[in-house]
Amino acid sequence: SYVLTQPPSVSVAPGKTARITCGGNNIGSKSVHWYQQKPGQAPVLVIYYDSDRPSGIPERFSGSNSGNTATLTISRVEAGDEADYYCQVWDSSSDHHVFGGGTKLTVL
Amino acid sequence: EVQLVESGGGLVQPGGSLKLSCAASGFTFSGSAMHWVRQASGKGLEWVGRIRSKANSYATAYAASVKGRFTISRDDSKNTAYLQMNSLKTEDTAVYYCTRSYSSSSDPFDYWGQGTLVTVSS
Repeated sequence: SYVLTQPPSVSVAPGKTARITCGGNNIGSKSVHWYQQKPGQAPVLVIYYDSDRPSGIPERFSGSNSGNTATLTISRVEAGDEADYYCQVWDSSSDHHVFGGGTKLTVL
Repeated sequence: EVQLVESGGGLVQPGGSLKLSCAASGFTFSGSAMHWVRQASGKGLEWVGRIRSKANSYATAYAASVKGRFTISRDDSKNTAYLQMNSLKTEDTAVYYCTRSYSSSSDPFDYWGQGTLVTVSS
């Protein structure tokens, strides 16, 4: 089955840029979606189809995907961005959806 | 306003059964694929399974961890999706979220419910 690998944690100071990676075999050939989840809340879609932002998501959130790594980038990080972030793809070979293990973003 | 409201969670003994419901409103339910995603306490998200729309033959797919024990169904006349869980194990204990994707298999999960807690314990 397809596996997505994320770092367990990323720390960043306010106002700086956070980059959260999602590794997978030839993930650049797949569509990657990113979700933000704050404690006690349901996940929220923040990036879809590698780099598109849903309405209401700040422009500070961006995404890229190439080769074996997809990246979620959060510019000018704010305290309110502190959350768990998950990448997700659809694996056509198994017709299964797969989540990465999640990354806890800590704002210092 | 889009709403997905799960219900039916609770405490069940190992080996028991439970049926979750997901009532949808605010979008075209019949044209959407509906998914269930679960999250054990302190753990990550795990896709459980999905049912596609009538146009896609109501095709279902399940994670290996639940295949043969869980069944997803839908009633488009009631805008409701269901998750029938049989032969429950303690490791099925989790918050279960209902979520939807628009049409294509690669579409994102754009709407989520608030989740319902299922506890499997004796």
